[in-house]
Amino acid sequence: DAGVTQSPTHLIKTRGQQVTLRCSPKSGHDTVSWYQQALGQGPQFIFQYYEEEERQRGNFPDRFSGHQFPNYSSELNVNALLLGDSALYLCASSRNGVRHGYTFGSGTRLTVV
Amino acid sequence: KQEVTQIPAALSVPEGENLVLNCSFTDSAIYNLQWFRQDPGKGLTSLLLIQSSQREQTSGRLNASLDKSSGRSTLYIAASQPGDSATYLCAGGWGAGGTSYGKLTFGQGTILTVHP
Repeated sequence: DAGVTQSPTHLIKTRGQQVTLRCSPKSGHDTVSWYQQALGQGPQFIFQYYEEEERQRGNFPDRFSGHQFPNYSSELNVNALLLGDSALYLCASSRNGVRHGYTFGSGTRLTVV
Repeated sequence: KQEVTQIPAALSVPEGENLVLNCSFTDSAIYNLQWFRQDPGKGLTSLLLIQSSQREQTSGRLNASLDKSSGRSTLYIAASQPGDSATYLCAGGWGAGGTSYGKLTFGQGTILTVHP
């Protein structure tokens, strides 16, 4: 049973560019959340998707947007990249509700130069 | 505002020692608390999930406790091994606006080194 799958694993972008990260949730999960983890810090919540809609959002600018597809997979888009966007981006899936706990993917390491 | 704090930030112990990692949180209306392990540059591996109705959970050499009234959770690792070296993160789930869904709020993590 596959867990949470994220792609790509690494990528390098230039300041001002746009990037799309992808996530496939664990089988049986319908909720996808995205987190940003800067070096040496705990993950910070970006947003959560359920039933193809953004259900909750953290303190991130509108440059960060997302989408959830009917098969529950999700994308994270970041526009106008800044050097400070360099981080590990983690996707977490769950069955609708925090009570069930979350399963995390291996992350995408984004470097902005 | 819900906040999670982990102490110590780093811990170095000799192999075989029993150890305790601490996690504190500011809102006792927590739904659950989850402990994760993170190896350098990798994603998060869930270790234990404790629901608000539970006091502790055990898995192998790991035992996690939850005390909502004092706002504390501890992760106990018995007979530590070099392979236990990693960053350990605790995260609280409080739901959102009274609902059962919502974000996880993470602590900064404890970097554990177990030396032979």
